[in-house]
Amino acid sequence: SQQGEEDPQALSIQEGENATMNCSYKTSINNLQWYRQNSGRGLVHLILIRSNEREKHSGRLRVTLDTSKKSSSLLITASRAADTASYFCATDAGDDKIIFGKGTRLHILP
Amino acid sequence: NAGVMQNPRHLVRRRGQEARLRCSPMKGHSHVYWYRQLPEEGLKFMVYLQKENIIDESGMPKERFSAEFPKEGPSILRIQQVVRGDSAAYFCASSPLDSTDTQYFGPGTRLTVL
Repeated sequence: SQQGEEDPQALSIQEGENATMNCSYKTSINNLQWYRQNSGRGLVHLILIRSNEREKHSGRLRVTLDTSKKSSSLLITASRAADTASYFCATDAGDDKIIFGKGTRLHILP
Repeated sequence: NAGVMQNPRHLVRRRGQEARLRCSPMKGHSHVYWYRQLPEEGLKFMVYLQKENIIDESGMPKERFSAEFPKEGPSILRIQQVVRGDSAAYFCASSPLDSTDTQYFGPGTRLTVL
């Protein structure tokens, strides 16, 4: 079952602009993770944010977590063509399961 | 249609022994991915295989780890001479030929090295 739901489902922006993707979930979590997937390839782990953290940065990525709203956002600043991919959030409730959302398909236009 | 199956679900090995983890993809799926998850960390990609072919092994440690996906039978992730640092959950996912963007995950194998 899919707990995380990303929105939008698809996003097209111009190169250089910022891209924001959101993820909502239903149950309590230990941490939330964001992954990138290039077409036909394995998932690449981007960033993990724990339930007691509100914001985390990694390079051009910024992730926020609002546990009261059960939502997270992934911001990619100064987008590049190589950022074109699908982005997934996944929640870990500490019960040996990781539950993925359906993903946001990001397309960076030249 | 059964989902992705992994066995064993839990595996305990002593240092120096070999660990074999099996993954049976969903029926009709010809692509298999292996991931490792250390406690409190995200999934780390290890290897991507099609039947009888390794497509991408960029995440595999250079030594002691190997993976195969034979024409018949499950995909096997093999860890030789295990060390304590190999203790982790190992997840397998499969996808069909015509939709490689969608991966279906198995329940994982939790490896504990004593």
